[in-house]
Parts: sequence; C-alpha cells; structure tokens
Amino acid sequence: NAGVTQTPKFQVLKTGQSMTLQCAQDMNHNSMYWYRQDPGMGLRLIYYSASEGTTDKGEVPNGYNVSRLNKREFSLRLESAAPSQTSVYFCATTRGLGETQYFGPGTRLLVL
Amino acid sequence: GIQVEQSPPDLILQEGANSTLRCNFSDSVNNLQWFHQNPWGQLINLFYIPSGTKQNGRLSATTVATERYSLLYISSSQTTDSGVYFCAAYNQAGTALIFGKGTTLSVSS
Repeated sequence: NAGVTQTPKFQVLKTGQSMTLQCAQDMNHNSMYWYRQDPGMGLRLIYYSASEGTTDKGEVPNGYNVSRLNKREFSLRLESAAPSQTSVYFCATTRGLGETQYFGPGTRLLVL
Repeated sequence: GIQVEQSPPDLILQEGANSTLRCNFSDSVNNLQWFHQNPWGQLINLFYIPSGTKQNGRLSATTVATERYSLLYISSSQTTDSGVYFCAAYNQAGTALIFGKGTTLSVSS
C-alpha cells in the first residue's frame, strides 16, 4: 500500500520543453489535486479533480493542463516550460472534497 | 478568499523544550489541517482538526473555530521535530486547501 506516488522525483528541463508529471494513488479516493510549492511559501493549488472525469482550475492554473486518466491516476502537463515553473510539485488525494488530504513525495522541477 | 497566517515564522529550540505554534484564519472554516514538512520535503499529516482538541503523542492541537485560530503544541521537542509546520484551511467550496507560509522549527541537541 504505497499511498500516493509521483514520478519522476526530479527533472531538469530547458525553456520550451514539455513534460508530464505522473501521480497515482491506491487509497481508492475520489478527489485528487496538484499543488506547487515555491521557496519560503506554502502550497498553492494548480488544478484539482473532484471525481473521475472532472477537472477544475485552482489558484495558479496558467501554463498547465491536467488529465484524470482514471480513478487512480492524475497527470499534470507542462506544454512549454518556463523558468517561472521551477518549483516542487505535490500531488494529493482525498476521499471526497473537504476531507483530509494526503500528499505524495513531490517532484522537483528545474527549468533552465 | 480566506487567508491563513502563521506565527512565529521561525523558532529555534533546545531539545526537550516545549513550543506553541499559532495559525490565524480570516474567515470561518469548516476544517483545518496541520502538516509537518520534514527536511527531505515530505509532507506528513499531523491533525485534521476543524474544532476542539486532539492529541497524538507529544503533539496536540486545538482549534477554536469561533475565534478563528488554531494552536499546535509540541512538548519535549526532539531533533526529529525539525522542519516546517504548515496549517491549511479549506476554502468555502471545500475544493482547495489554503496554506499559511509555515513556521520553520529548528531543534538542536
């Protein structure tokens, strides 16, 4: 029972490159989330998926797209990476909206 | 939207000391969580505490929702308690956690 897993753990991109961050959960939870954490800051919500088949924007969605592939998997895509997207990205999951959030280990992304 | 403020921003303790971390929020909230981010960056759930008091070993938390604050108590601190402590409250729609900027705790032996 791994909980929430994220791949990759670390990635370096050049400006303009694209990549997809993967998140999977084995908790049978309905809701999944993507956050970013910048130095000295708390986490800010990028996108969330209340349930399979739905996605909605969070506080900072510009430059990102998401796909809720199935109940277990929620991916985050950067189509054309920019240095401002250098951050640590966390995936989280809850049984339902408004409930306890459980976080993955994070992906450190550096955009040069 | 809701705002979450934490204090103090930094805290330095000797092993064995006690501490209190505070979280103020700007609007009524339905729920609140405390997290510990360890030096390796992992976010660990400590408490889900919309109101009342909970205890887990040396840690306890109290939320007074009517007065819009929550407190995290750490007793007999250990070096492994070092890291950043975040509180976070859900927005009104319950769709996103709004995080404070955290309290950085350093415990030395």
